[in-house]
Amino acid sequence: AQSVTQPDIHITVSEGASLELRCNYSYGATPYLFWYVQSPGQGLQLLLKYFSGDTLVQGIKGFEAEFKRSQSSFNLRKPSVHWSDAAEYFCAVGAGGFKTIFGAGTRLFVKA
Amino acid sequence: EAQVTQNPRYLITVTGKKLTVTCSQNMNHEYMSWYRQDPGLGLRQIYYSMNVEVTDKGDVPEGYKVSRKEKRNFPLILESPSPNQTSLYFCASSPSFGGGSLVETQYFGPGTRLLVL
Repeated sequence: AQSVTQPDIHITVSEGASLELRCNYSYGATPYLFWYVQSPGQGLQLLLKYFSGDTLVQGIKGFEAEFKRSQSSFNLRKPSVHWSDAAEYFCAVGAGGFKTIFGAGTRLFVKA
Repeated sequence: EAQVTQNPRYLITVTGKKLTVTCSQNMNHEYMSWYRQDPGLGLRQIYYSMNVEVTDKGDVPEGYKVSRKEKRNFPLILESPSPNQTSLYFCASSPSFGGGSLVETQYFGPGTRLLVL
C-alpha cells in the first residue's frame, strides 16, 4: 500500500541556518510528490511538486526538494531559514488514480 | 480574487444529525478535493472530483458523501455524523490533479472545524 513517512515529528532550527525535512514514500510506480506548508497566518499552501523530469524542483518561499528514486525520498530543503518559516510541513504522494496520501507532518520551530 | 470558500467555518452538532459543509471555488478549476486533519495523523483525503459528475474515494471515505453537480461547488455531506468525525476539514481546488502544470497550484479553503457530540 502507498504510504508516506516523515520521520521527524518536530525540528528546531536557528534562524539563518539551513533546513532539511525528510520524507520517504512507498509507491510502486513513478510517483507524483508534493510538499505543503500549514501556518496559522496563511493556511495550507502547496510549496512545490514533482511529476517527472528534473529531480531537483524549486518551489515558493525559497524552498527546493530533491527526488531520489533509489532512496524513495523527497526531502525538502532551504538554505537559510527565516522566522516566518515556522509552520507544519506535509509531504504527500499521488497514490494512483488521482488520490493523495499525506505524511503525518513535521513541525518546524525556528530559534532566534 | 481567486479563492476557495467553505461554510460553515465552525459547527457543533449531535450524533446522527445530517449536515452539509459547502465548498465553492471561483477559478473554474476541474479538480476539487476534501481532506480531514487530525492531530498526529496529518491530512487524509476523503473524496476528490476530477470534474462535474466525476468523483472518487480518497483514503478515508467512510461516513461521507460528495456531489459535483456544478464545476464550482463540491459539498461534503455527513448523512449520520458520529463523534469520530470530529475534525478539521479542508476543501481544495486546482486546475487539474496536483495543481496542474508546474506553474499552477492548488488552493485551499480556510477550513471547517466540526465537533460531533
